Amino acid sequence: AQKITQTQPGMFVQEKEAVTLDCTYDTSDPSYGLFWYKQPSSGEMIFLIYQGSYDQQNATEGRYSLNFQKARKSANLVISASQLGDSAMYFCAMMEKNSGYALNFGKGTSLLVTP
Amino acid sequence: DAGVIQSPRHEVTEMGQEVTLRCKPISGHNSLFWYRQTMMRGLELLIYFNNNVPIDDSGMPEDRFSAKMPNASFSTLKIQPSEPRDSAVYFCASSSWGLAGEAETQYFGPGTRLLVL
Repeated sequence: AQKITQTQPGMFVQEKEAVTLDCTYDTSDPSYGLFWYKQPSSGEMIFLIYQGSYDQQNATEGRYSLNFQKARKSANLVISASQLGDSAMYFCAMMEKNSGYALNFGKGTSLLVTP
Repeated sequence: DAGVIQSPRHEVTEMGQEVTLRCKPISGHNSLFWYRQTMMRGLELLIYFNNNVPIDDSGMPEDRFSAKMPNASFSTLKIQPSEPRDSAVYFCASSSWGLAGEAETQYFGPGTRLLVL
């Protein structure tokens, strides 16, 4: 079964606007972490933001925030004030403590920021 | 500080040849992960090490694949013999175990693009 689901294969957003990239996850492990990575066309994987399952507050890192809804098992990434350089693939990933510490990745969402 | 270093960045080889991919993790990190990315299967874990010891190699496709970590600053992923279906981007990532045994963020290397003809 798919542990991480990203339902949006592609998204468009206009420069300076906010965009939400969806991610839902499936786990019965009470201790887990959720991550978002950015992969630009150059191919590298860039860490953006992390949310732990016990964190009370939603994580924020600059223009990135994570809308963590534990009961719904969702961990959406919000990018505020989009920039042209935000155009990339975005991957949601989960790490479960009781299953080792490897990352399970979603299929990714391709984001295109237009002028 | 240097990030995760991988070499080579690109590799083109012929079917049947041996391929060796190399990785130097971030200094101080004690966990190392090898991932493979393809269009069909996305990003998938191949194997990971903690303190140089392989912990989970269930993602290694078959016996043609092997990985070693002889010391804290070096790991190799070897494919012998290589096949066209092994063509992919291979990423190495490293992290450290944090407080209370919690693993921390994985930082990825630039990847090795492998093409097997």
